[in-house]
Amino acid sequence: NAGVTQTPKFRVLKTGQSMTLLCAQDMNHEYMYWYRQDPGMGLRLIHYSVGEGTTAKGEVPDGYNVSRLKKQNFLLGLESAAPSQTSVYFCASSIPSGEAFFGQGTRLTVV
Amino acid sequence: EDKVVQSPLSLVVHEGDTVTLNCSYEVTNFRSLLWYKQEKKAPTFLFMLTSSGIEKKSGRLSSILDKKELFSILNITATQTGDSAVYLCAGAGQNSGYALNFGKGTSLLVTP
Repeated sequence: NAGVTQTPKFRVLKTGQSMTLLCAQDMNHEYMYWYRQDPGMGLRLIHYSVGEGTTAKGEVPDGYNVSRLKKQNFLLGLESAAPSQTSVYFCASSIPSGEAFFGQGTRLTVV
Repeated sequence: EDKVVQSPLSLVVHEGDTVTLNCSYEVTNFRSLLWYKQEKKAPTFLFMLTSSGIEKKSGRLSSILDKKELFSILNITATQTGDSAVYLCAGAGQNSGYALNFGKGTSLLVTP
């Protein structure tokens, strides 16, 4: 009963490097989301997807790109990492207007 | 711009106390108000509220929504040290794919 799985769980990047965070869900949910969580800022929406092949920008999309080629997967890419992108990243999925289920998070440090 | 505000931001209580956490919201095309508990890792779901005045309960936790005043409360009775966590409130609207708009959370510490 995996639910929402994020990989990797931890990563350290150098400024300017690129990486992709993978989110996979096995609940057949249409909607998927990427959030970042920073101290004192709460969870902020980066990008979201309402179905396979569709993506849209959230509150803080700059510096990130996403893709949803398969319904069960939602990828978050950082093309050129910056120290300001040091954060904990959470993926979530839901049915329309339902509760969101979260992955365990990815702790990313950019040095 | 959508906004969710939680108060207090932090709270320290003794075991056995009752606490009330507050959440006010301004969410375009409001659909639901959700509460989550976060202990170091991923937020875990507590309640989803869509109708005013109907209390939802789960053990010692309960929550209610006031859609006229745009307000919700989360009550925890007979607190235990295991209740120590950050409690997150989030509003969901029909815009942005029902994405949750989170408040900054209330950090609750229950001391023995």
